[in-house]
Amino acid sequence: EVQLVESGGGLVQPGGSLRLSCAASGFTFSSYEMNWVRQAPGKGLEWVSYISSSGSTIYYADSVKGRFTISRDNAKNSLYLQMNSLRAEDTAVYYCARAGGAVADNFDYWGQGTLVTVSS
Amino acid sequence: DIQMTQSPSSVSASVGDRVTITCRASQGISSWLAWYQQKPGKAPKLLIYAASSLQSGVPSRFSGSGSGTDFTLTISSLQPEDFATYYCQQANTKFTFGPGTKVDIK
Repeated sequence: EVQLVESGGGLVQPGGSLRLSCAASGFTFSSYEMNWVRQAPGKGLEWVSYISSSGSTIYYADSVKGRFTISRDNAKNSLYLQMNSLRAEDTAVYYCARAGGAVADNFDYWGQGTLVTVSS
Repeated sequence: DIQMTQSPSSVSASVGDRVTITCRASQGISSWLAWYQQKPGKAPKLLIYAASSLQSGVPSRFSGSGSGTDFTLTISSLQPEDFATYYCQQANTKFTFGPGTKVDIK
């Protein structure tokens, strides 16, 4: 059974940093591209970042470029999101999502999410 | 950037009704479109990918169609467990979600 379990969320002050983790199991993690998607309270879904299976190709949404860094450790079956210079508008539930489809064009499995609150 | 719009933003329907949700892309995205269902407090669930392909395990009352800029998600006979919010998502250039359509009980 595919499982994605996020951790690392919490309350952080504006300008602060936080590192999210996503532990993957039930599939060959090193063969799949991965993503982070977030959802602000009461709002819709926003794609945040993508990383290829090897980690060699990375994309970011404009809203987080230069502040967030996605990475992965295939030996540990783990995905990460380093978030720096956090702003109030980064407050959201952050989901890790496996890329599905022949060309990784959808998100076929999701974690339960971890809440990040940016507030003083 | 590609923008996605959905209509309606909400729809009230009864069990057994046929429900259609429309998604429009600001530029052509071929068939790089997926649909998700999300219930309160839960992660989204993939329903349809590549515009019209049904994800494994998803009931056949869900169907998708369209290509280019205009797409639809149809629920042929609404069931109690289908009351939720539905999102479209494009994958032609990076990824963008639509704003969502809430389906609630009439």
